[in-house]
Amino acid sequence: QVTLRESGPALVKPTQTLTLTCTFSGFSLSNSGMCVSWIRQPPGKALEWLARIDWDEDKYYNTSLKTRLTISKDTSKNQVVLTMTNLDPVDTATYYCARSNGYSTGWYNFDYWGQGTLVTVSS
Amino acid sequence: QSALTQPASVSGSPGQSITISCTGTSSDVGGYNYVSWYQQHPGKAPKLMIYDVSKRPSGVSNRFSGSKSGNTASLTISGLQAEDEADYYCSSYTSSSTYVFGTGTKVTVL
Repeated sequence: QVTLRESGPALVKPTQTLTLTCTFSGFSLSNSGMCVSWIRQPPGKALEWLARIDWDEDKYYNTSLKTRLTISKDTSKNQVVLTMTNLDPVDTATYYCARSNGYSTGWYNFDYWGQGTLVTVSS
Repeated sequence: QSALTQPASVSGSPGQSITISCTGTSSDVGGYNYVSWYQQHPGKAPKLMIYDVSKRPSGVSNRFSGSKSGNTASLTISGLQAEDEADYYCSSYTSSSTYVFGTGTKVTVL
């Protein structure tokens, strides 16, 4: 079955760089049609899409955050990594990774999600 | 990219039907048939309920249905049940090759 799990620091200081890892199983990002996105949710607030990486290395970023984000993948480890620079307290949120499957439900939705990891930005 | 607009809350009695709206622009909801809906229970990850405006993933109850007219998409829950009480978010693909989520709607079963 498909599973995704996010990992990373729970607490980050302002101006620091955040590195989050999504480790998944049940599919391969080397297979055509597979994509993984990062999505975040501040406490009590709405979801916000951050970035997506595709099986063919295409990458897409939230236009408002593009200068601060980098997404990459390690196919051999079944991992996707997101880095976000210059953290601010407003970046405090639960960060989720989620899959899109172009040959199942399509590229334009997220069919499987990790359980999320809460990142707090505070000095 | 501004968030899609949803009502903050919708409520209904068990067995009733409710509809949640999701309003965007011609650059997102109105421009593509790529609207999806997610159910989120407290402390849990979102769950895909509807994709491509009106399609249901395997395993999702047929009490959930989706539609779209112009720049507004809608999610209808028929035969409302206690387990449907949750937050619901719409999402759309955009002309910038990105995704935008809605503001979220809290569904309360009276």
